[in-house]
Amino acid sequence: AQTVTQSQPEMSVQEAETVTLSCTYDTSESNYYLFWYKQPPSRQMILVIRQEAYKQQNATENRFSVNFQKAAKSFSLKISDSQLGDTAMYFCAFASPGNQFYFGTGTSLTVIP
Amino acid sequence: SAVISQKPSRDICQRGTSLTIQCQVDSQVTMMFWYRQQPGQSLTLIATANQGSEATYESGFVIDKFPISRPNLTFSTLTVSNMSPEDSSIYLCSVGFTGTNTGELFFGEGSRLTVL
Repeated sequence: AQTVTQSQPEMSVQEAETVTLSCTYDTSESNYYLFWYKQPPSRQMILVIRQEAYKQQNATENRFSVNFQKAAKSFSLKISDSQLGDTAMYFCAFASPGNQFYFGTGTSLTVIP
Repeated sequence: SAVISQKPSRDICQRGTSLTIQCQVDSQVTMMFWYRQQPGQSLTLIATANQGSEATYESGFVIDKFPISRPNLTFSTLTVSNMSPEDSSIYLCSVGFTGTNTGELFFGEGSRLTVL
Protein backbone atom coordinates (compact mmCIF):
# COMPACT_ATOMS: atom_id res chain seq x y z
CA ALA A 1 0.00 0.00 0.00
CA GLN A 2 1.04 3.55 -0.63
CA THR A 3 1.59 5.96 2.24
CA VAL A 4 2.25 9.67 2.30
CA THR A 5 3.78 11.35 5.34
CA GLN A 6 3.88 15.02 6.17
CA SER A 7 5.80 15.46 9.40
CA GLN A 8 5.12 19.16 9.90
CA PRO A 9 1.56 19.76 11.14
CA GLU A 10 2.07 23.52 11.34
CA MET A 11 4.53 26.00 9.96
CA SER A 12 4.84 29.74 9.76
CA VAL A 13 6.89 32.08 7.63
CA GLN A 14 7.41 35.81 7.42
CA GLU A 15 6.00 37.51 4.38
CA ALA A 16 8.51 37.62 1.50
CA GLU A 17 10.59 34.85 3.04
CA THR A 18 11.04 31.28 1.77
CA VAL A 19 9.59 28.17 3.38
CA THR A 20 9.94 24.48 2.62
CA LEU A 21 7.26 21.91 3.37
CA SER A 22 8.34 18.29 3.68
CA CYS A 23 6.72 15.16 2.31
CA THR A 24 7.86 11.57 2.12
CA TYR A 25 6.08 8.65 0.55
CA ASP A 26 6.37 4.92 0.29
CA THR A 27 5.55 2.88 -2.78
CA SER A 28 6.71 -0.05 -4.84
CA GLU A 29 5.35 1.50 -8.02
CA SER A 30 7.75 2.77 -10.65
CA ASN A 31 5.31 5.00 -12.54
CA TYR A 32 3.45 7.55 -10.47
CA TYR A 33 2.63 11.21 -9.94
CA LEU A 34 3.19 13.42 -6.94
CA PHE A 35 1.18 16.52 -6.15
CA TRP A 36 0.95 19.42 -3.77
CA TYR A 37 -2.54 20.72 -3.16
CA LYS A 38 -3.47 23.91 -1.36
CA GLN A 39 -6.63 24.29 0.69
CA PRO A 40 -7.30 27.89 1.75
CA PRO A 41 -9.78 28.68 4.51
CA SER A 42 -12.57 28.68 1.90
CA ARG A 43 -11.90 24.93 1.69
CA GLN A 44 -11.68 24.42 -2.07
CA MET A 45 -8.55 22.47 -2.80
CA ILE A 46 -6.52 23.55 -5.78
CA LEU A 47 -3.47 22.04 -7.40
CA VAL A 48 -0.22 23.87 -6.70
CA ILE A 49 2.27 21.72 -8.54
CA ARG A 50 2.67 18.27 -10.05
CA GLN A 51 5.64 16.00 -10.68
CA GLU A 52 5.86 12.90 -12.82
CA ALA A 53 8.13 10.30 -11.27
CA TYR A 54 9.89 9.54 -14.54
CA LYS A 55 11.02 13.15 -14.90
CA GLN A 56 14.28 13.95 -13.15
CA GLN A 57 13.85 17.68 -13.50
CA ASN A 58 12.12 19.30 -10.56
CA ALA A 59 8.80 20.95 -11.37
CA THR A 60 8.39 24.69 -10.91
CA GLU A 61 5.36 26.96 -11.03
CA ASN A 62 6.23 30.59 -10.50
CA ARG A 63 7.09 30.95 -6.79
CA PHE A 64 6.50 27.26 -6.13
CA SER A 65 9.07 24.56 -6.76
CA VAL A 66 9.70 21.05 -5.62
CA ASN A 67 12.72 19.06 -4.60
CA PHE A 68 12.00 15.55 -5.84
CA GLN A 69 14.38 12.91 -4.56
CA LYS A 70 13.12 9.66 -6.03
CA ALA A 71 15.60 7.35 -4.34
CA ALA A 72 14.85 8.88 -0.98
CA LYS A 73 11.12 9.02 -1.77
CA SER A 74 11.03 12.63 -0.77
CA PHE A 75 8.97 15.41 -2.35
CA SER A 76 9.30 18.78 -0.64
CA LEU A 77 7.62 22.03 -1.66
CA LYS A 78 9.47 25.33 -1.59
CA ILE A 79 7.51 28.55 -1.57
CA SER A 80 9.59 31.61 -2.37
CA ASP A 81 8.65 35.21 -1.64
CA SER A 82 5.78 34.07 0.59
CA GLN A 83 2.57 36.07 0.33
CA LEU A 84 -0.36 36.42 2.71
CA GLY A 85 -2.51 34.52 0.22
CA ASP A 86 -0.27 31.50 0.65
CA THR A 87 -1.79 30.93 4.10
CA ALA A 88 -3.54 27.58 3.76
CA MET A 89 -3.39 23.90 4.45
CA TYR A 90 -1.04 22.10 2.07
CA PHE A 91 -1.50 18.45 1.21
CA CYS A 92 1.04 16.22 -0.44
CA ALA A 93 -0.50 13.47 -2.58
CA PHE A 94 0.57 10.39 -4.50
CA ALA A 95 -1.20 8.64 -7.36
CA SER A 96 -0.28 5.91 -9.76
CA PRO A 97 -2.09 5.61 -13.12
CA GLY A 98 -5.52 4.05 -12.76
CA ASN A 99 -5.37 4.03 -9.00
CA GLN A 100 -6.63 6.22 -6.24
CA PHE A 101 -4.92 9.21 -4.73
CA TYR A 102 -3.26 8.99 -1.34
CA PHE A 103 -3.00 12.15 0.70
CA GLY A 104 -0.79 13.18 3.59
CA THR A 105 -2.23 14.65 6.77
CA GLY A 106 -1.43 18.17 5.69
CA THR A 107 0.71 21.08 6.83
CA SER A 108 -0.98 24.25 8.01
CA LEU A 109 1.06 27.20 6.76
CA THR A 110 0.63 30.69 8.13
CA VAL A 111 2.27 33.65 6.45
CA ILE A 112 2.95 36.39 8.97
CA PRO A 113 2.78 40.00 7.81
CA SER B 1 -10.22 22.04 -15.81
CA ALA B 2 -13.57 21.71 -14.09
CA VAL B 3 -15.80 23.86 -11.93
CA ILE B 4 -17.50 21.86 -9.22
CA SER B 5 -20.47 23.02 -7.18
CA GLN B 6 -21.47 21.27 -4.00
CA LYS B 7 -24.68 21.70 -2.02
CA PRO B 8 -25.15 22.23 0.83
CA SER B 9 -21.96 24.00 1.81
CA ARG B 10 -22.70 23.26 5.44
CA ASP B 11 -25.46 21.79 7.56
CA ILE B 12 -26.26 20.85 11.11
CA CYS B 13 -28.20 17.64 11.48
CA GLN B 14 -29.75 15.58 14.20
CA ARG B 15 -28.58 12.12 15.08
CA GLY B 16 -30.42 9.40 13.16
CA THR B 17 -31.35 11.54 10.18
CA SER B 18 -29.95 11.43 6.64
CA LEU B 19 -28.51 14.14 4.43
CA THR B 20 -27.91 14.15 0.70
CA ILE B 21 -25.03 16.14 -0.75
CA GLN B 22 -25.11 17.15 -4.39
CA CYS B 23 -22.16 17.59 -6.73
CA GLN B 24 -22.58 19.33 -10.08
CA VAL B 25 -19.75 19.67 -12.58
CA ASP B 26 -19.68 22.17 -15.43
CA SER B 27 -18.38 19.58 -17.93
CA GLN B 28 -18.62 15.87 -18.56
CA VAL B 29 -16.05 14.01 -16.49
CA THR B 30 -14.91 10.45 -16.54
CA MET B 31 -14.19 9.99 -12.87
CA MET B 32 -16.07 11.30 -9.84
CA PHE B 33 -15.05 10.60 -6.30
CA TRP B 34 -16.31 11.29 -2.81
CA TYR B 35 -13.84 12.00 -0.02
CA ARG B 36 -14.23 12.55 3.70
CA GLN B 37 -11.99 14.99 5.52
CA GLN B 38 -12.26 14.67 9.27
CA PRO B 39 -10.86 17.41 11.50
CA GLY B 40 -7.08 17.33 11.59
CA GLN B 41 -6.93 14.30 9.36
CA SER B 42 -6.12 13.52 5.78
CA LEU B 43 -8.59 13.00 2.98
CA THR B 44 -10.08 9.53 2.88
CA LEU B 45 -11.65 8.14 -0.25
CA ILE B 46 -15.20 6.93 0.39
CA ALA B 47 -16.07 5.69 -3.07
CA THR B 48 -15.82 6.15 -6.79
CA ALA B 49 -19.12 7.20 -8.33
CA ASN B 50 -19.73 5.21 -11.52
CA GLN B 51 -22.08 6.57 -14.14
CA GLY B 52 -25.07 4.30 -14.58
CA SER B 53 -23.91 1.63 -12.16
CA GLU B 54 -23.23 1.04 -8.49
CA ALA B 55 -20.46 2.98 -6.84
CA THR B 56 -17.19 1.32 -5.91
CA TYR B 57 -16.63 1.61 -2.17
CA GLU B 58 -13.36 1.62 -0.30
CA SER B 59 -12.68 -0.54 2.69
CA GLY B 60 -14.62 0.65 5.71
CA PHE B 61 -17.41 2.29 3.73
CA VAL B 62 -20.65 0.57 2.76
CA ILE B 63 -23.51 1.39 0.46
CA ASP B 64 -26.15 1.27 3.16
CA LYS B 65 -24.40 4.03 5.07
CA PHE B 66 -23.20 6.10 2.10
CA PRO B 67 -25.48 5.50 -0.89
CA ILE B 68 -24.20 7.24 -4.01
CA SER B 69 -25.92 8.03 -7.26
CA ARG B 70 -24.46 9.16 -10.56
CA PRO B 71 -27.18 9.43 -13.18
CA ASN B 72 -24.97 11.17 -15.77
CA LEU B 73 -21.45 12.44 -16.43
CA THR B 74 -21.92 15.78 -14.68
CA PHE B 75 -23.84 15.01 -11.48
CA SER B 76 -23.57 12.84 -8.39
CA THR B 77 -25.06 12.65 -4.93
CA LEU B 78 -23.76 11.24 -1.69
CA THR B 79 -26.16 10.45 1.13
CA VAL B 80 -24.97 10.10 4.69
CA SER B 81 -27.55 7.84 6.32
CA ASN B 82 -28.58 7.36 9.93
CA MET B 83 -26.06 9.96 11.02
CA SER B 84 -24.13 9.93 14.28
CA PRO B 85 -21.73 12.53 15.69
CA GLU B 86 -18.85 10.46 14.27
CA ASP B 87 -20.08 11.41 10.80
CA SER B 88 -19.30 15.07 11.47
CA SER B 89 -16.83 15.90 8.76
CA ILE B 90 -16.22 17.71 5.52
CA TYR B 91 -17.34 15.74 2.49
CA LEU B 92 -15.60 16.57 -0.77
CA CYS B 93 -16.61 15.82 -4.31
CA SER B 94 -13.70 15.38 -6.69
CA VAL B 95 -13.42 14.75 -10.42
CA GLY B 96 -10.74 13.63 -12.79
CA PHE B 97 -10.26 13.14 -16.50
CA THR B 98 -8.79 10.15 -18.26
CA GLY B 99 -6.90 10.40 -21.48
CA THR B 100 -5.22 13.67 -20.60
CA ASN B 101 -2.41 12.03 -18.67
CA THR B 102 -2.39 14.88 -16.19
CA GLY B 103 -3.50 12.80 -13.25
CA GLU B 104 -4.95 15.91 -11.63
CA LEU B 105 -8.01 15.90 -9.40
CA PHE B 106 -10.35 18.88 -9.13
CA PHE B 107 -12.28 19.47 -5.94
CA GLY B 108 -15.51 21.10 -4.90
CA GLU B 109 -15.59 23.46 -1.93
CA GLY B 110 -16.83 20.70 0.31
CA SER B 111 -19.87 20.19 2.51
CA ARG B 112 -19.25 20.68 6.22
CA LEU B 113 -21.57 18.41 8.16
CA THR B 114 -22.13 18.67 11.90
CA VAL B 115 -24.18 15.99 13.61
CA LEU B 116 -25.59 16.73 17.05
